[in-house]
Amino acid sequence: DTEVTQTPKHLVMGMTNKKSLKCEQHMGHRAMYWYKQKAKKPPELMFVYSYEKLSINESVPSRFSPECPNSSLLNLHLHALQPEDSALYLCASSQDWPQRNEKLFFGSGTQLSVL
Amino acid sequence: DAKTTQPNSMESNEEEPVHLPCNHSTISGTDYIHWYRQLPSQGPEYVIHGLTSNVNNRMASLAIAEDRKSSTLILHRATLRDAAVYYCILSSEKGGSEKLVFGKGTKLTVNP
Repeated sequence: DTEVTQTPKHLVMGMTNKKSLKCEQHMGHRAMYWYKQKAKKPPELMFVYSYEKLSINESVPSRFSPECPNSSLLNLHLHALQPEDSALYLCASSQDWPQRNEKLFFGSGTQLSVL
Repeated sequence: DAKTTQPNSMESNEEEPVHLPCNHSTISGTDYIHWYRQLPSQGPEYVIHGLTSNVNNRMASLAIAEDRKSSTLILHRATLRDAAVYYCILSSEKGGSEKLVFGKGTKLTVNP
C-alpha cells in the first residue's frame, strides 16, 4: 500500500466554522507534511512532523493547527479562516526526516473553499 | 532556499522523447536534485532524484551536468498521460531543517 489518503476531497466552510482535514498513510513512514497550493501555483510547505513531533512550522498563522495523533495520522484543524485561505491542501509522507535522499508520497488533496 | 529555474511551458508530440531542463546554479555540494510531476486534479508524484551521477528508472532518466549547475529530465517516449506540470526541486537544508521547496515548474503539453 503506497497510498496517502486525504479526507474530505472537497470542503466548503464559512469564516466562523471549525473544521478538520485528515490524512492517513500505512506505509510505516515516520515523517508527514502539510503543503498548501493556490491555483496555478506550486505547493508551499506549511508543516513537517517527524516521529509525531512538529519539526517545521513555516510561520503559518495560528488559525491552522496541525496535529499528529500517531505515526499514521495527520490532522489539520481549521478555525476562523479567511477567503484567501481557499486552496488545495496536500498531505505527504516520507520514510524519514530529515533526509535529502527521501522521496515524498502525496495524497490527492482537499480542495478548500472559504466563504 | 536553493533556487531552480525552469521554462514555464514546453510542448511535445506523442511517442517522441522529451527533455525538460532545469538550472540550479546555486546548488550546494550535498543537495539532491528531485523531480516531481503533478497531473491535473492530483497531488504531486515522485519521478526521480539524484546527486551526481545520471539516474534511470521506469518513468524517466535524469541527466546531471558535471558541474551540477543544471540537470535534464528525459521522458523517453511521451504519452498523453505524461501531460503534467514538472517540478525540479533541490533539497534545501537551512539551520538543520531539511525540506523540499517547489519552484514554478514546467507545464508539459503532449500533442497526439
